[in-house]
Amino acid sequence: DTEVTQTPKHLVMGMTNKKSLKCEQHMGHRAMYWYKQKAKKPPELMFVYSYEKLSINESVPSRFSPECPNSSLLNLHLHALQPEDSALYLCASSQDNPSNEKLFFGSGTQLSVL
Amino acid sequence: QQPVQSPQAVILREGEDAVINCSSSKALYSVHWYRQKHGEAPVFLMILLKGGEQKGHEKISASFNEKKQQSSLYLTASQLSYSGTYFCGTEIVGSARQLTFGSGTQLTVLP
Repeated sequence: DTEVTQTPKHLVMGMTNKKSLKCEQHMGHRAMYWYKQKAKKPPELMFVYSYEKLSINESVPSRFSPECPNSSLLNLHLHALQPEDSALYLCASSQDNPSNEKLFFGSGTQLSVL
Repeated sequence: QQPVQSPQAVILREGEDAVINCSSSKALYSVHWYRQKHGEAPVFLMILLKGGEQKGHEKISASFNEKKQQSSLYLTASQLSYSGTYFCGTEIVGSARQLTFGSGTQLTVLP
């Protein structure tokens, strides 16, 4: 299994809603990532988990809250989002150090905030 | 620090060659190359580590000039399947796991 699975594929939410994005991999990877991608722009790093601990937070607003329940799962909890948060949210995983290992990306969750 | 990618867009005929460039103002530990088709996830192509090297993947190869902090992706005898947006991702020395992507190069291969 060389897939990173993200659910849901599409999500529409109001600014007062609370929702969660889910990501799962069964490749034994110990690093997992959240990226945000706006249309026609490159992916932007949000969070990195290494061995289930948050190792990088790229100054992301607190309305985005990541969680890594175990080595196979990664969640992104959303609360009180703004319309400008509408984007494709990509999850990725790697063995550990991306210097030597490629990132496997999921197909993303297309989020629309109304 | 976002790497600078050029050109922004390329249109080719099948069988033609293309070069995509990526440069950084910071010392790099690695350069990654990914291709993303519309509506799909980015797909890994190759990684180049500092030390200066060239790698190949079928008709797609890349080089990394450590002295200039530049990498180039070479696509030879392009195929229709090569169409997509190509991103370089750079890892700056001292910033482990913080892969920053360039703005992308949209490649279109026409029959």
